Amino acid sequence: GENVEQHPSTLSVQEGDSAVIKCTYSDSASNYFPWYKQELGKRPQLIIDIRSNVGEKKDQRIAVTLNKTAKHFSLHITETQPEDSAVYFCAASTGRGGKLIFGQGTELSVKP
Amino acid sequence: GAVVSQHPSWVICKSGTSVKIECRSLDFQATTMFWYRQFPKQSLMLMATSNEGSKATYEQGVEKDKFLINHASLTLSTLTVTSAHPEDSSFYICSAPWGRVRYEQFFGPGTRLTVL
Repeated sequence: GENVEQHPSTLSVQEGDSAVIKCTYSDSASNYFPWYKQELGKRPQLIIDIRSNVGEKKDQRIAVTLNKTAKHFSLHITETQPEDSAVYFCAASTGRGGKLIFGQGTELSVKP
Repeated sequence: GAVVSQHPSWVICKSGTSVKIECRSLDFQATTMFWYRQFPKQSLMLMATSNEGSKATYEQGVEKDKFLINHASLTLSTLTVTSAHPEDSSFYICSAPWGRVRYEQFFGPGTRLTVL
């Protein structure tokens, strides 16, 4: 079945450094790849997403890259700040309104 | 726009009782909704797809007789945990896509279920 693998499970960086989280997916029909930030006890919050017809997307300090051939996509956060500390999840789906399959999550800690 | 609500936000029940969780799309119609379960420090695991006017589609390993899903209208889906046990204690979250127009999904705030 569909599967999304996410690494690393924990990531600790110094404030101002960059953070990179990587995901791979198994279903070649996947064409939508969102990234979520989740704080304890809260709903996931969409921070950036990318569709399969695009290789890279950037929004201020956050960027996502997609390699469809390798079935691999990554989240890049530059100039990290303590408030970036949270759990981040990648996900994949096969189209508009399709079910999301989530990665295992990465707990990011940004130390001041 | 695109707000999804859940009720209750938290519930504590005794083992063996049933609990109903509601998921509503407040400003759009949702023919499909998804139900996820999240254990502490784990990911969101898709439980089932709720379809308005037809039976829910359950993911492998999810007991359909234990987790009853009813998509009563274009804005409401309910998840009933029957004969709840302590191992059912979890964070339950629903999501709804904006039909087949947008890729983005909109999540409810979640329901924390604790079974004593």
